[in-house]
Amino acid sequence: DSGVTQTPKHLITATGQRVTLRCSPRSGDLSVYWYQQSLDQGLQFLIQYYNGEERAKGNILERFSAQQFPDLHSELNLSSLELGDSALYFCASSVDLTPANTGELFFGEGSRLTVL
Amino acid sequence: GIQVEQSPPDLILQEGANSTLRCNFSDSVNNLQWFHQNPWGQLINLFYIPSGTKQNGRLSATTVATERYSLLYISSSQTTDSGVYFCAVATGANSKLTFGKGITLSVRP
Repeated sequence: DSGVTQTPKHLITATGQRVTLRCSPRSGDLSVYWYQQSLDQGLQFLIQYYNGEERAKGNILERFSAQQFPDLHSELNLSSLELGDSALYFCASSVDLTPANTGELFFGEGSRLTVL
Repeated sequence: GIQVEQSPPDLILQEGANSTLRCNFSDSVNNLQWFHQNPWGQLINLFYIPSGTKQNGRLSATTVATERYSLLYISSSQTTDSGVYFCAVATGANSKLTFGKGITLSVRP
């Protein structure tokens, strides 16, 4: 158990719909990361939050958004879903040794999204 | 951005055999991690090893940062070692982890 909690574990929805994925980081970790794993793109970084503020952005689509709340949990919102959004979405957290060095990242079990 | 190459892409072993998995990266790093993704999709931390050598049971890892590569050694492999092994790195300029494409390991009984 990494200490990072993600819900839901599985989600099936239809094209055009909107879903929200939730992540609770390890106790004491201020940084939260979202990654997407699809068969053709591998593990891709989406976005990072540190203590409520966006810190880094990767290959995140405009239809996707995220936020980190004062209690440090994070949500990833996916809207106008397409078939190609079907993937495993991971959340990770880290303690951040320095602003430029996150230290070890710990991953949740992922949320498997299927868009039909 | 930084490039991460893992080799070999696929590996088939007989139970009890030893193996070496390699990760090459294109820039200096301040973070390097090895993960095992099991058949259920879970990403399990194996090593946090930006430099040096570490051992954990049958697994060990070495990172030679100056030559930009890392090696993961698996000894006396077991069927439960099957899955995909990922190397991920981060540079000082950008703290996010960049993943390699992974090495798919199958251990046959």
